[in-house]
Amino acid sequence: QAVLTQPSSLSASPGASASLTCTLRRGINVETYRIFWYQQKPGSPPQFLLRYKSDSHKYLGSGVPSRFSGSKDVSANAGILLISGLQSEDEADYYCMIWHSDVWVFGGGTKLTV
Amino acid sequence: EVQLVESGGGLVQPGRSLRLSCVASGFSFDDYAMHWVRQVPGKGLEWVSGISWNSGRIAYGDSAKGRFTISRDNGKDSLFLHMNSLRPEDTALYFCAKGDLLEDALDIWGQGTMVTVS
Repeated sequence: QAVLTQPSSLSASPGASASLTCTLRRGINVETYRIFWYQQKPGSPPQFLLRYKSDSHKYLGSGVPSRFSGSKDVSANAGILLISGLQSEDEADYYCMIWHSDVWVFGGGTKLTV
Repeated sequence: EVQLVESGGGLVQPGRSLRLSCVASGFSFDDYAMHWVRQVPGKGLEWVSGISWNSGRIAYGDSAKGRFTISRDNGKDSLFLHMNSLRPEDTALYFCAKGDLLEDALDIWGQGTMVTVS
């Protein structure tokens, strides 16, 4: 089983909110990890969006709109990227990432269609 | 402007070697950890390797262990990836990226250099 699992695709309407999940493998406790989120548009490198561990330990990347936020669903052992007020420009691939056992691990990515 | 520019990619035969380079500008290179991340076209991201500001800490992903070597030259603001025994599955776009510490966010990325093993 992969360390991080993301749904392959998600579709949402302009103006709505989208919740992208990143589920950690059983035995890896989401509460102890900082979850990092990246956005990648076709032909461009990934862009760092935010880091989230808790509401008191979070960081929004430079220039990233406040429409992007992070959270966790502890019961589901998952990190969440919430995008509110969806815009067409938010259509992209989104990746989560954690530092686990001294290596960086990426999720498989979610393609968001707006 | 903070910038990372990769080079050194190209077409190489299986079993051969290749060295990638990444030149940094716009920030104090020797203050930051650096990383290599690769992406097969149309697929997801895979972290390859990372190196701390002073080369004191180095880490590799499973696919790189034993075949790839990361290094840096702070005097030349440059990051390198020496890749040996290349395999067709190493074919990918290789990005270099900057982070504060080895375990901090990769916050700035280059445009990547394409490596094709065939």
